[in-house]
Amino acid sequence: QKEVEQDPGPLSVPEGAIVSLNCTYSNSAFQYFMWYRQYSRKGPELLMYTYSSGNKEDGRFTAQVDKSSKYISLFIRDSQPSDSATYLCAMSGQGGSEKLVFGKGTKLTVNP
Amino acid sequence: DTGVSQNPRHKITKRGQNVTFRCDPISEHNRLYWYRQTLGQGPEFLTYFQNEAQLEKSRLLSDRFSAERPKGSFSTLEIQRTEQGDSAMYLCASTPVGATDTQYFGPGTRLTVL
Repeated sequence: QKEVEQDPGPLSVPEGAIVSLNCTYSNSAFQYFMWYRQYSRKGPELLMYTYSSGNKEDGRFTAQVDKSSKYISLFIRDSQPSDSATYLCAMSGQGGSEKLVFGKGTKLTVNP
Repeated sequence: DTGVSQNPRHKITKRGQNVTFRCDPISEHNRLYWYRQTLGQGPEFLTYFQNEAQLEKSRLLSDRFSAERPKGSFSTLEIQRTEQGDSAMYLCASTPVGATDTQYFGPGTRLTVL
């Protein structure tokens, strides 16, 4: 079993839809959880960063962490075609100060 | 641009050749990480530096791979005797020491081994 599991999709939604992306993990030492967005042939770009359990909102994006279930989610409201990308979850025990463990990424397409 | 930069952006080489990639981290970021990403997969950790010291290497980093960060600024990743299985995107990231902040990634170097 991999440390971080993420459904690779692909996921296709109409413009304006609410998108739900999620990851599960097995290592209870993970305390820092990130979501990165990666466009084709580009490097990952940080979207959301949360510590421990709880919710964090930034514009159209909401990140949720449930440490008891070892489950994290990213919600995108009012999705736009420009949101079409691969979304990677990543996590670590000490934030950016140690190696990140990534999921496979979920490829999202938002159709106009 | 004050972000992480990587060169070259794309490298095509023949099997058996040596290649070297360069990463320039964000200024004053003490920690520098190398990851490898193959098609359809998330990035996988290879190695990291704190200043000039290489503190951890993944078992993915075979003897053909070597990384350096001679003056604690830029870093190089060399692959000797490349194999087709080395074809991947090589990503560099940096962060300040002790920061709980996350890592900031460069655009990557895409390696194609023919």
